[in-house]
Amino acid sequence: GAVVSQHPSRVICKSGTSVKIECRSLDFQATTMFWYRQFPKQSLMLMATSNEGSKATYEQGVEKDKFLINHASLTLSTLTVTSAHPEDSSFYICSARDPQGGGETQYFGPGTRLLVL
Amino acid sequence: GQQLNQSPQSMFIQEGEDVSMNCTSSSIFNTWLWYKQDPGEGPVLLIALYKAGELTSNGRLTAQFGTTRKDSFLNISASIPSDVGIYFCAGGSTNAGKSTFGDGTTLTVKP
Repeated sequence: GAVVSQHPSRVICKSGTSVKIECRSLDFQATTMFWYRQFPKQSLMLMATSNEGSKATYEQGVEKDKFLINHASLTLSTLTVTSAHPEDSSFYICSARDPQGGGETQYFGPGTRLLVL
Repeated sequence: GQQLNQSPQSMFIQEGEDVSMNCTSSSIFNTWLWYKQDPGEGPVLLIALYKAGELTSNGRLTAQFGTTRKDSFLNISASIPSDVGIYFCAGGSTNAGKSTFGDGTTLTVKP
């Protein structure tokens, strides 16, 4: 199956710093990637849709200046949490849409656990 | 927006029992996907369904795309301890350009 990697897997940072998370599709090209946030024992909350070569589409209530998304190539999207605060601590998961897979099939990365002190 | 109702929310079963979970929606989807998530990891795709009425198996797992395109079910036969986890359904819509996820079914298997 399609493989999506995410880096780092875990990050601890001080309040006020920025953190960048990378999402890569390893064996397919993804024009569209998605960024999710997941709180303990809850479902996946879509934050934004990342489109290669264009601006990301953010879901309602997600601050685009807080969560910067860049999709610079067909295999890489990055999420930068700017000026992180403790309430930003969460599990962030990316996914990539496989264009071969019926159009809407998404493959997920392993997730990034962010802890802001 | 589109919403999915996934049930049951949780299940506690004995090893060897069969499991059934489903998702329903008031919206029509082009794709139904079923994922399993282990603690601290990203969801892993189990089965993808692309046509109404499609019935697909993956080992002990079987899933069907409802004929109305508004529902799907996932069955697990002869459950084993490693089946423990959270199972998510997702409905994909080409028009929406994204998938809608259910709230998950937490499965616990007692040895």
